[in-house]
Amino acid sequence: QSALTQPASVSGSPGQSITISCTGTSSDVGGYNYLSWYQQHPGKAPKLMIYDVSNRPSGVSNRFSGSKSGNSASLTISGLQAEDEADYYCYSYTSSSSLVFGTGTKVTVL
Amino acid sequence: QLQLQESGPGLVKPSETLSLTCTVSGGSISSSDQYWGWIRQPPGKGLEWIGSIYYDGSTYYNPSLQSRVTISVDTSKNQFSLNLSSVTAADAAVYYCARHRPGTKAFDIWGQGTMVTVSS
Repeated sequence: QSALTQPASVSGSPGQSITISCTGTSSDVGGYNYLSWYQQHPGKAPKLMIYDVSNRPSGVSNRFSGSKSGNSASLTISGLQAEDEADYYCYSYTSSSSLVFGTGTKVTVL
Repeated sequence: QLQLQESGPGLVKPSETLSLTCTVSGGSISSSDQYWGWIRQPPGKGLEWIGSIYYDGSTYYNPSLQSRVTISVDTSKNQFSLNLSSVTAADAAVYYCARHRPGTKAFDIWGQGTMVTVSS
């Protein structure tokens, strides 16, 4: 199975909004709403930020939001803060009953 | 508060079997609708799902690793384990265990990860 496609890097200034895309196929992203997003700081375990396309776990800032259209999904971070600088990964269920991560995006706060 | 902790050898020889255990504390591993997974991350690279196991013992594996992977549960010890056979240098990575959030496929609770090096 192929990893979902994400941009290698996205950057923005503090206070701005940025969007990270995640592109798959009708067999994964487009076929199911089991799409989630993870934030990973260097040397740390990933942290769940969004699950089932647009749901935020308790404790995750409402500056993070998710959406999906067709075979692509997006994570938007509004009011960008220095602490948001990290790697972000999308993740989806697939038609072969497996799971696949995206290629990862490094977010830089300028 | 549910916590997960990986344990196992940090060094494995090529062609041998990598064996890791994840100990679950603060909750029961055999609660209904619970399932658990393993994920790895080679140094400087992205995340890769290895496989998952349901509370009833049913398993799902990454097709690219399926021939070498076995995940099992020991309810008496509140642990689940990963065995990866015939390892090569490409299997060197930080290995994480994690819990799937009930009712979804997302991983909501993660262990801290353990680095495994493959070398003779």
